Amino acid sequence: DTEVTQTPKHLVMGMTNKKSLKCEQHMGHRAMYWYKQKAKKPPELMFVYSYEKLSINESVPSRFSPECPNSSLLNLHLHALQPEDSALYLCASSQDPGQLSGANVLTFGAGSRLTVL
Amino acid sequence: AQTVTQSQPEMSVQEAETVTLSCTYDTSENNYYLFWYKQPPSRQMILVIRQEAYKQQNATENRFSVNFQKAAKSFSLKISDSQLGDTAMYFCAFVPLHSGAGSYQLTFGKGTKLSVIP
Repeated sequence: DTEVTQTPKHLVMGMTNKKSLKCEQHMGHRAMYWYKQKAKKPPELMFVYSYEKLSINESVPSRFSPECPNSSLLNLHLHALQPEDSALYLCASSQDPGQLSGANVLTFGAGSRLTVL
Repeated sequence: AQTVTQSQPEMSVQEAETVTLSCTYDTSENNYYLFWYKQPPSRQMILVIRQEAYKQQNATENRFSVNFQKAAKSFSLKISDSQLGDTAMYFCAFVPLHSGAGSYQLTFGKGTKLSVIP
C-alpha cells in the first residue's frame, strides 16, 4: 500500500459546526503532515507529527486542532472556522521525520476540499 | 531564506510535443534537493522527479527530465511526448540539506498550469 487516504473528499460546514478531517497511511511512515492549499497557490505547511507527537505547529490558529491517535492515522479537528479557512487540506507522510531528501520524500493524499459558509 | 520562482503561470502544449517548464531558486545553501511535483485536477500532489544538488548528472524519469544548472540556480523540467494526462499544475520545490535537526519544510514555487491540447 503506497497511498495516503483522506476523507471526506468534500466538506461543507457552518461557522459554528465541529467537524474532522481524517488521513490514513499504511506505509509505516513515521512522519505525517497537514498542509493547507488555497486555489491556484502552493501548499502551506500547518503541522508536522513525528513518531505520533506534534513536532511543528506553523502558528496555526487554535480553531484547527490536530490529533495523531496512532502511527497510521492523522486527524484535523475543525471548530468555529471562518469563511477564509475554505481551502484544500492536504495530508502527507514521509518515511522519517526531520530531513526531507531524495530518499525521504513527501507522499501526499488527494486532499479534503473544505467550504466554510 | 530560500525562494523558488516559476515565471510561467500558464503554458500549453500540443499532444506528443515537448514542453519545458522553468524554475529558478535563490539560496545560500550548498547542499539541497530539488523536486518537481504534479497536481492534476484529481488534486493529489505527485512527485515527478527529484535532483540532488551535488550530482551533476541531470535526473530522468521516463518522459520527464530536468536541466539542472547549479551555478545559474536553475532547475527546468522537460516533458517529452506530452500526453493528455500530463495536464496539471506543476510545482517546483526546494529543501536544504542540514546536519543536525534537518529540514522538514519544502519551499514551493507558485506553480505553472500546463494544459496538453489534443
